[in-house]
Amino acid sequence: DAGITQSPRHKVTETGTPVTLRCHQTENHRYMYWYRQDPGHGLRLIHYSYGVKDTDKGEVSDGYSVSRSKTEDFLLTLESATSSQTSVYFCAISETGEVGQPQHFGDGTRLSIL
Amino acid sequence: GQQLNQSPQSMFIQEGEDVSMNCTSSSIFNTWLWYKQDPGEGPVLLIALYKAGELTSNGRLTAQFGITRKDSFLNISASIPSDVGIYFCAGQRLYAGNNRKLIWGLGTSLAVNP
Repeated sequence: DAGITQSPRHKVTETGTPVTLRCHQTENHRYMYWYRQDPGHGLRLIHYSYGVKDTDKGEVSDGYSVSRSKTEDFLLTLESATSSQTSVYFCAISETGEVGQPQHFGDGTRLSIL
Repeated sequence: GQQLNQSPQSMFIQEGEDVSMNCTSSSIFNTWLWYKQDPGEGPVLLIALYKAGELTSNGRLTAQFGITRKDSFLNISASIPSDVGIYFCAGQRLYAGNNRKLIWGLGTSLAVNP
């Protein structure tokens, strides 16, 4: 398995509270990604990073922010969680972002917002 | 956002049967990837395809990169109970700047009756 650890694995919180999810990798890969997975929508890219302090938006970035201060850690923050952000969140990494470089996934964080 | 057309949506088969699934797109891709996701886990890469017409095997799995570069197929031979899961296709191509995102299918859910 690729060395990707997501924490927490499960979280239940209330609407309006801030939430931070962490992705930690031991592969020294340059690219890191955050996805959400919802029934009927598949995997949708939230944000990605192509290096320390270098990030960009994906297709569903509204309501989310990210930070990458070290190669190994990529944080996803919901500043004020809403029920529509209840989902399973996956972190992925790739050695480079070049076409042909597969992404490898962590085991996900199941987030419920009440 | 853009998605691939993956079919069938679900399959229920008897152990020992062969399985076929496919993904199509109106766009050309440079890379096709096939992943499998087990319950409670992240997607795991099964096969990566890099060249039009390429046929690649991984054990009982065989995948092909369509000659038009707009489709891909995954076949599983002699299915076994541990083949149960959701299979995703993903296509990758170059976009402007650092954006080399994956486009995902919605998945094929496979159930195997022992």
